[in-house]
Amino acid sequence: GEEVAQTPKHLVRGEGQKAKLYCAPIKGHSYVFWYQQVLKNEFKFLISFQNENVFDETGMPKERFSAKCLPNSPCSLEIQATKLEDSAVYFCASSQPDRLNEKLFFGSGTQLSVL
Amino acid sequence: GNSVTQMEGPVTLSEEAFLTINCTYTATGYPSLFWYVQYPGEGLQLLLKATKADDKGSNKGFEATYRKETTSFHLEKGSVQVSDSAVYFCALKLTGGGNKLTFGTGTQLKVEL
Repeated sequence: GEEVAQTPKHLVRGEGQKAKLYCAPIKGHSYVFWYQQVLKNEFKFLISFQNENVFDETGMPKERFSAKCLPNSPCSLEIQATKLEDSAVYFCASSQPDRLNEKLFFGSGTQLSVL
Repeated sequence: GNSVTQMEGPVTLSEEAFLTINCTYTATGYPSLFWYVQYPGEGLQLLLKATKADDKGSNKGFEATYRKETTSFHLEKGSVQVSDSAVYFCALKLTGGGNKLTFGTGTQLKVEL
């Protein structure tokens, strides 16, 4: 498709429950990114993929968070045993190969509310 | 490390006023610089970019010039409109970083009639 598609738009979980978010990048884009936006500002980088391989995971919390990008499937971000502080909007983005002026295309986000 | 610092908001202006949103950066190497805009309920959209010193990015009346000597990339617009109300994010990207963007904290702009 011509846009990054994220599902669901909203997700409500009780503390301790699992949350799974999905992202379909733009066809032909080789990089996928996950960002976390808390309190309507500050985009925190979580992880990036080059095709199905993890490229940079320096922003991923070591515990509870995992992500995958498998061939012919949407990418996913999973949070085990959610905590209140995980409440945020999670944005997925995709881009073409690594070039100096390459831009990222963002999805419209998944709002996760942990109660 | 690499970082981006933006002026704190919100910035409230009357329609047709002049806009400046300051952005400075710290980076190892020579980054590309971007301004992204986020309208309510949406993801980020690229507004403009510059890839080397003295480049000027421009789009929809917005401009920003890559100033290496002051490590800045301030966003300007001569005459804002109500429809420009949004959150603006300055960002940098380093070559070889897999297109990873490092964002500033965002500046909310409110334009009133």
